[in-house]
Amino acid sequence: EVHLLESGGGLVQPGGSLRLSCEASGFTFRKYPMTWVRQAPGKGLEWVSSIDTSGLERYYADSVKGRFTVSRDNSKNTLHLQMNSLRAEDTAVYYCAKYSGSGTRVFDFWGQGTLVTVSS
Amino acid sequence: EIVLTQSPATLSLSPGDRATLSCRASQSISSSLVWYQQKPGQAPRLLIYDASNRATGIPARFSGSGSGTDFTLTISSLEPEDFAVYYCQQRSNWPITFGQGTRLEIK
Repeated sequence: EVHLLESGGGLVQPGGSLRLSCEASGFTFRKYPMTWVRQAPGKGLEWVSSIDTSGLERYYADSVKGRFTVSRDNSKNTLHLQMNSLRAEDTAVYYCAKYSGSGTRVFDFWGQGTLVTVSS
Repeated sequence: EIVLTQSPATLSLSPGDRATLSCRASQSISSSLVWYQQKPGQAPRLLIYDASNRATGIPARFSGSGSGTDFTLTISSLEPEDFAVYYCQQRSNWPITFGQGTRLEIK
């Protein structure tokens, strides 16, 4: 059974940093691209970033480009999102999700999310 | 960036009714359209990919149609567990974008 478990969320001041992690199990992690999607309180879904199987190809939404960095450790079945220069508008639940296959950009399994709150 | 516009914003129906949800893209995306269902406090769940293909385990009452710029998610006969928020997502171009969602509520 596929399982994705996010961690690392919390309260951080504007301008601060956080590192989110997503621990994967139940599938061959190194074979699937992964993604981060966020959802501000009471709002819709917003794609944040995606990474290919090797970690060499990375994609970002304009809203986070230059501030967030996605990475993966295939030896530890873990996805990360390093978030720097955080702003109030980054407040959201952050979900990691698995691609259904290489290049599909279809997200077939999602974690339960971790809440990031940016506030002074 | 491809903008997806979902309508209506809210749909009020009764169990047993037929639900029709719309998603319109700002430019042609062929059949590269995905539908998700999200219930309160839960992560999204994949329903339909490539406009009309049901994901594994999705009941046959859910169907998708459309291509180009206009897409529809149909629920043939609503069950109580179907009342939720539905999002469309395009996978044609970067950046990946989502529609703003349609809330399906009990009338």
